[in-house]
Amino acid sequence: GNSVTQMEGPVTLSEEAFLTINCTYTATGYPSLFWYVQYPGEGLQLLLKATKADDKGSNKGFEATYRKETTSFHLEKGSVQVSDSAVYFCALSVSNTGKLIFGQGTTLQVKP
Amino acid sequence: DSGVTQTPKHLITATGQRVTLRCSPRSGDLSVYWYQQSLDQGLQFLIQYYNGEERAKGNILERFSAQQFPDLHSELNLSSLELGDSALYFCASSVALELSPLHFGNGTRLTVT
Repeated sequence: GNSVTQMEGPVTLSEEAFLTINCTYTATGYPSLFWYVQYPGEGLQLLLKATKADDKGSNKGFEATYRKETTSFHLEKGSVQVSDSAVYFCALSVSNTGKLIFGQGTTLQVKP
Repeated sequence: DSGVTQTPKHLITATGQRVTLRCSPRSGDLSVYWYQQSLDQGLQFLIQYYNGEERAKGNILERFSAQQFPDLHSELNLSSLELGDSALYFCASSVALELSPLHFGNGTRLTVT
């Protein structure tokens, strides 16, 4: 079946550190891949997406590249800020609809 | 602010009861999705409506039902509630039937005691 696996958290970093959150997937067909972010007390917000292999999604300094050969979509940011503290979800869609399959989420804590 | 409004924000009820969660999608969005977020199951897709019609079903229990009204707001009905139904229920909306950015509401936290 289709599934998404994320690295377990929490991930704790100091401000300006480099961030990587690993995400791998299993899917039939050619999925679209997403990263969503959830700040405390809020709903999920789309952070970035990629719809085909080798596409790079980017937003607010975050990047992720769709790697079909390794079935991965790792999230990276060169220099994190305290305001980046949130839960990050990797997700996929195989049916080109809003029916998303989410990973378990990774909590990021950034300390000043 | 995503533009998606969910009410109520919090709901506390007893086992065996029935509740209704309401969602108003973002202006102009025709698709509404319901997701359940729980500690053990994570975020799971429940159901999708598009312009009043059910279009996709996920891991939704038979005790749960939903509908989308002509004004495009949606309601999720949960009945014969069990302790395990305690979760955060999110509504999301998008403009199209096919893949387009989802806009999530802030959720309704349901506690079943």
